[in-house]
Amino acid sequence: DAGITQSPRHKVTETGTPVTLRCHQTENHRYMYWYRQDPGHGLRLIHYSYGVKDTDKGEVSDGYSVSRSKTEDFLLTLESATSSQTSVYFCAISESFLSGQATTDTQYFGPGTRLTVL
Amino acid sequence: GENVEQHPSTLSVQEGDSAVIKCTYSDSASNYFPWYKQELGKRPQLIIDIRSNVGEKKDQRIAVTLNKTAKHFSLHITETQPEDSAVYFCAASIRSFGTYKYIFGTGTRLKVLA
Repeated sequence: DAGITQSPRHKVTETGTPVTLRCHQTENHRYMYWYRQDPGHGLRLIHYSYGVKDTDKGEVSDGYSVSRSKTEDFLLTLESATSSQTSVYFCAISESFLSGQATTDTQYFGPGTRLTVL
Repeated sequence: GENVEQHPSTLSVQEGDSAVIKCTYSDSASNYFPWYKQELGKRPQLIIDIRSNVGEKKDQRIAVTLNKTAKHFSLHITETQPEDSAVYFCAASIRSFGTYKYIFGTGTRLKVLA
């Protein structure tokens, strides 16, 4: 597995509380992603980063914010958690580079964080 | 917006039989199609991928085919084994800000019956 860790691995919190999830990588990859995984929906992109302090929204970004102050860390914050944000959250990393005439950009996933909002 | 449809949602096969999972994508600009396997409680793991300039790719018992005209791609697993039981996700990549964003299918739960 690529050098990706997520913390915490499990969290139970109450509606209305702030929550921050951390993704840490040791691969020095430029690109980092946050996904949520829910039954029947597969993996949906929340936010992603294409460099330090460079981030953009994914398809389900409402209610989430991110920050990336260092290459190795990408934080996902739920400012005021809601029950609809109960999910498993995965971080992923990738490094785009040219190999011959092809660009390769495989994403590797962290172990996930199971978040329950009561 | 971009969309990837994946079928079937569940698939049961006898050990030794073949399994086929199909995906359809909407964005004709997509040019990279990875497949991930996810075992219960684990992270998704890349098992095979294909680029739009290739029609088929094989890796032992796993193969992926791509039909760009129809915007279809499929995962083929031959001689299935119990350890192939997992959820499989397809994805199509869309280029954005120098990297690729993936749009995932909703997953196929494969059960291999001994």
